Amino acid sequence: GAVVSQHPSRVICKSGTSVKIECRSLDFQATTMFWYRQFPKQSLMLMATSNEGSKATYEQGVEKDKFLINHASLTLSTLTVTSAHPEDSSFYICSARDQGYTEAFFGQGTRLTVV
Amino acid sequence: SQQGEEDPQALSIQEGENATMNCSYKTSINNLQWYRQNSGRGLVHLILIRSNEREKHSGRLRVTLDTSKKSSSLLITASRAADTASYFCATDALAQGGSEKLVFGKGTKLTVNP
Repeated sequence: GAVVSQHPSRVICKSGTSVKIECRSLDFQATTMFWYRQFPKQSLMLMATSNEGSKATYEQGVEKDKFLINHASLTLSTLTVTSAHPEDSSFYICSARDQGYTEAFFGQGTRLTVV
Repeated sequence: SQQGEEDPQALSIQEGENATMNCSYKTSINNLQWYRQNSGRGLVHLILIRSNEREKHSGRLRVTLDTSKKSSSLLITASRAADTASYFCATDALAQGGSEKLVFGKGTKLTVNP
């Protein structure tokens, strides 16, 4: 199946700093990328959807100035958590879909811990 | 809001037994998908069933779909310890920007004991 590479897999940062997470589709064109957040023992909550070359569309309740998403190419999307705080600690997962395909392919996730 | 709701939330069985997980959803769908997530990892697509299908098989997996009841089930036969994971159903919905997004249920945590 198609591969989506997400890194880093784990990151620990100090409160107030920013963290960038990368998501790359390795063997297909990710026309749409999704960013999810998952709390322990809970389901995935969609944060935002991004289409290549367009601004990301954020789900209700997600601060766009805090979670900056860039989808500059068909194979790369980034999520930057700005001025991170301990409550931003979570598991972040990206997902990518090629246009016309129903199945979504997921990165391995990034465990963010803000201390 | 979550479209899919799985039950049970947790299931513990012995190796060799069958595991059945159920998913209910609220709105009409074009298809329903099941994903698997190992602890602390990303999701892996297992199987997709379209709204005009009632049953689908893939290896030891059997998925059923009842659109009249808005429910689906995932059966794993002859379970193995390696099947231990969380299983989520997912349906398509419209994201804020008009793209289609996957909405996940709360998941069933399956533990298969050796």
